[in-house]
Amino acid sequence: QLQLQESGPGLVKPSETLSLTCTVSGGSTSSDNHYWGWIRQSPGKGLEWIGNVDYSGSAFYNPSLKGRVTISVDTSKNQFSLKMYSVTAADTAVYHCARRDLDNDYFDHWGQGTLVSVSS
Amino acid sequence: QPVLTQPPSVSGAPGQRVTISCTGTSSNIGSGYYVHWYQQVPGRAPKLLIYINNRRPSGVPDRFSASKSGTSASLTISGLQTEDEAVYYCQSYDSSLTEVFGGGTKLAVL
Repeated sequence: QLQLQESGPGLVKPSETLSLTCTVSGGSTSSDNHYWGWIRQSPGKGLEWIGNVDYSGSAFYNPSLKGRVTISVDTSKNQFSLKMYSVTAADTAVYHCARRDLDNDYFDHWGQGTLVSVSS
Repeated sequence: QPVLTQPPSVSGAPGQRVTISCTGTSSNIGSGYYVHWYQQVPGRAPKLLIYINNRRPSGVPDRFSASKSGTSASLTISGLQTEDEAVYYCQSYDSSLTEVFGGGTKLAVL
């Protein structure tokens, strides 16, 4: 059974960098049939796609995040990571990692999510 | 603002049928991209409910069905049960190379 688990600081100061890691078990980030993605959910709001990365490290991002995001993969650790730069209070959200089918763009497994608050 | 439009809430009595709409544009659903649906119980991760417009993952009851036409899609839940209370999201892909979601619809089983 594939499982994904997010980890990282729950509190980040404004203008600093948010860093999260997703650890995959029961599956492999070396899979060439999947992307590995980050999706966030602001308090009381819906889902917002942040970006995806494949096993080779090729990444695709939501243009609305204006170059503030980097997603990388470490297949030796079976993990992938999110870095979001210059955060503001608007970046406060629950951050989910998820596995996406390569060809058909649905997310079939999700992590529980981790709340990241941006505050001084 | 979410790219895909969903009603904020729907409700129904146990045993009834409800339908949740998801409206997009010619740059996403109307371009032929697939629509997927997720169910999120409060405090839990979203769960894939329907993929590729109308397919159910293993373990999802056949009470859940979906369709797509033009720039819209819909999710139908038949024989409502109290355990169906959740927020339902639609998702598609956009020609701006973006995964897009609806704002979510909260289902109340009265």
